[in-house]
Amino acid sequence: GIQVEQSPPDLILQEGANSTLRCNFSDSVNNLQWFHQNPWGQLINLFYIPSGTKQNGRLSATTVATERYSLLYISSSQTTDSGVYFCAVTGEANNLFFGTGTRLTVIP
Amino acid sequence: DVKVTQSSRYLVKRTGEKVFLECVQDMDHENMFWYRQDPGLGLRLIYFSYDVKMKEKGDIPEGYSVSREKKERFSLILESASTNQTSMYLCASSLQRRSRGYTFGSGTRLTVV
Repeated sequence: GIQVEQSPPDLILQEGANSTLRCNFSDSVNNLQWFHQNPWGQLINLFYIPSGTKQNGRLSATTVATERYSLLYISSSQTTDSGVYFCAVTGEANNLFFGTGTRLTVIP
Repeated sequence: DVKVTQSSRYLVKRTGEKVFLECVQDMDHENMFWYRQDPGLGLRLIYFSYDVKMKEKGDIPEGYSVSREKKERFSLILESASTNQTSMYLCASSLQRRSRGYTFGSGTRLTVV
């Protein structure tokens, strides 16, 4: 399957700081999604972004498909942003391949 | 909103037991998936199903089987539980084969002792 690498693995931020999470993938993909897993384990889809840039409030994402990476930007971070952020891609078989995640902790 | 419900939040089972993990979705989605999540490994696909009575192996099917007798229900079966199957299990569903929208359940944390 497609290899998905995320960096950094762990990130600690002061409330109000900005951050960038990166996702690299090993092959061309049909679909790329960013998920947030809250401390209670629930996975929520943030973005469907196979290419280009999208914004949703304090979050935005950019995927450069030709260079096989995607970035998730979090601005003015809040404690509720804490959790694990996953990047997941879909290849020819249409199954989601997940990265190992970035664990974000936002401290007040 | 689509809801994906997993029957148990926490389970403790003994080695060798047969274990059933149940997942139900309420929005008539064709596709259903079972993942396990382990620290440092992310989510890995165990089995998936694109239709009733249909199943396909994911990346790590060994030691597991599945059942989809009704469209809304997808069961994961551990025929003989082992300690290396201690993990968080997540069920997901999506509407179409190339759907952009996956909805996940809250997970079942299984401990095998």
